[in-house]
Amino acid sequence: DTEVTQTPKHLVMGMTNKKSLKCEQHMGHRAMYWYKQKAKKPPELMFVYSYEKLSINESVPSRFSPECPNSSLLNLHLHALQPEDSALYLCASSPYPGPQRNTEAFFGQGTRLTVV
Amino acid sequence: KNEVEQSPQNLTAQEGEFITINCSYSVGISALHWLQQHPGGGIVSLFMLSSGKKKHGRLIATINIQEKHSSLHITASHPRDSAVYICAAPSGGGADGLTFGKGTHLIIQP
Repeated sequence: DTEVTQTPKHLVMGMTNKKSLKCEQHMGHRAMYWYKQKAKKPPELMFVYSYEKLSINESVPSRFSPECPNSSLLNLHLHALQPEDSALYLCASSPYPGPQRNTEAFFGQGTRLTVV
Repeated sequence: KNEVEQSPQNLTAQEGEFITINCSYSVGISALHWLQQHPGGGIVSLFMLSSGKKKHGRLIATINIQEKHSSLHITASHPRDSAVYICAAPSGGGADGLTFGKGTHLIIQP
C-alpha cells in the first residue's frame, strides 16, 4: 500500500461549523504534513508532524487544529473558518522527518474545502 | 528559506513535441522533487533526485546541484501529459517540509 488517503474529498461547511479532515497512510512513514493550496497557487506548508509530535506550525491560525493520534493517522480539525480558508488541503507523508534526508514525498488527493 | 522558480509558467505544445520545464532554487539542497497535478486533483510524485539524471518512461529529470538548477523533459508528448508540473525543494534553514515552485501549466494539443 503506497497511498496517502484523504477524506472527505469535498467538504462544504458554514462559518460556525466544526469539521475534521482525515489523512491516513500505512507505509510506516514517520513524517506527515498538512499543506494548503489556493486556486492557481502552489501548496503552502501548514504543519509538520515528526514521530507523531508537532514539529512545525507555520503561523497557522488557531481555527486550524492538527492532531496525530497515531503514526498512521493525521487529522485537521476545523472550527469557525472564514470564506478565505476555502482551498485544497493536501496531506503528505515521508519515511523520515528532516530536511536533509533524501526521502520521497507521497501526497494524498486532497480535500476540496468550501467555507460558506 | 528556499526560493524556487519555475519557467515557463504556461506552455502549449503539439502532440509529439519535446517539452522542457526548468526549475532553479536559491538554497543548496540534498534532493529536488518533480510533481504532477491534474486540475482539481491531488499531487503525484514523479521524481526525487539528488544528482545526475533519472528516467521514467517518457519523462526525464536532470539536476545540477552546483548550479542549483533542474529540468524536466517529456519526450513524444501526448495530450494525457497535460497537467501542472511543479518542482519542490526542501524549505531550507533546517526546516522540514517542501517549498514549491509556482508550477508550469502544460497543455498538449492533439
